[in-house]
Amino acid sequence: EAEVAQSPRYKITEKSQAVAFWCDPISGHATLYWYRQILGQGPELLVQFQDESVVDDSQLPKDRFSAERLKGVDSTLKIQPAELGDSAMYLCASSPGTGISTDTQYFGPGTRLTVL
Amino acid sequence: AQSVAQPEDQVNVAEGNPLTVKCTYSVSGNPYLFWYVQYPNRGLQFLLKYITGDNLVKGSYGFEAEFNKSQTSFHLKKPSALVSDSALYFCAVRDRGGGNDYKLSFGAGTTVTVRA
Repeated sequence: EAEVAQSPRYKITEKSQAVAFWCDPISGHATLYWYRQILGQGPELLVQFQDESVVDDSQLPKDRFSAERLKGVDSTLKIQPAELGDSAMYLCASSPGTGISTDTQYFGPGTRLTVL
Repeated sequence: AQSVAQPEDQVNVAEGNPLTVKCTYSVSGNPYLFWYVQYPNRGLQFLLKYITGDNLVKGSYGFEAEFNKSQTSFHLKKPSALVSDSALYFCAVRDRGGGNDYKLSFGAGTTVTVRA
């Protein structure tokens, strides 16, 4: 069964350092999402891509976060500089279609970020 | 704006007993509703979804959910719980026709513990 791949699984960094997370969606999935999940809460959407284009980045803190999906396949999420409040699980998800409402999103295992 | 509420932070049941995890929603249009399960340090796994049609939806691992439009609820159920069902469960909603027709909004999650 195809899965969404993410790396690294765990990342520990010091504040003010730069970190990057990678996601490879299920093959053929046009839509890719990055979520942040703070402990004890549900995931919150940071950015959504349709192919290589950003569809929604309204919740992405653009002063320190950036995301790209250059060839419309895999994606990278970067934080620079990291702050203590960025400690969370970062989840990547993908869905087959054009972000239509009935699509199921399939999630990767996540990257657990700890900022010291 | 769309939102989801999971009124119980924790649900504890004995193995073999029925399991119910509650979810209520608020949308401006008609809802698309989803249930996901998350095991420790893992991503979210899709269980089931309601799009239209029969109010009783059957999903993975013996789970089912009942859509109730008058009560704006979408409770998750399993007739006989297993110890392996112990996990964190998330309800999520998409709003059809409300403008955010791709954005998935998650509840805060319910921790289920099934004791042997």
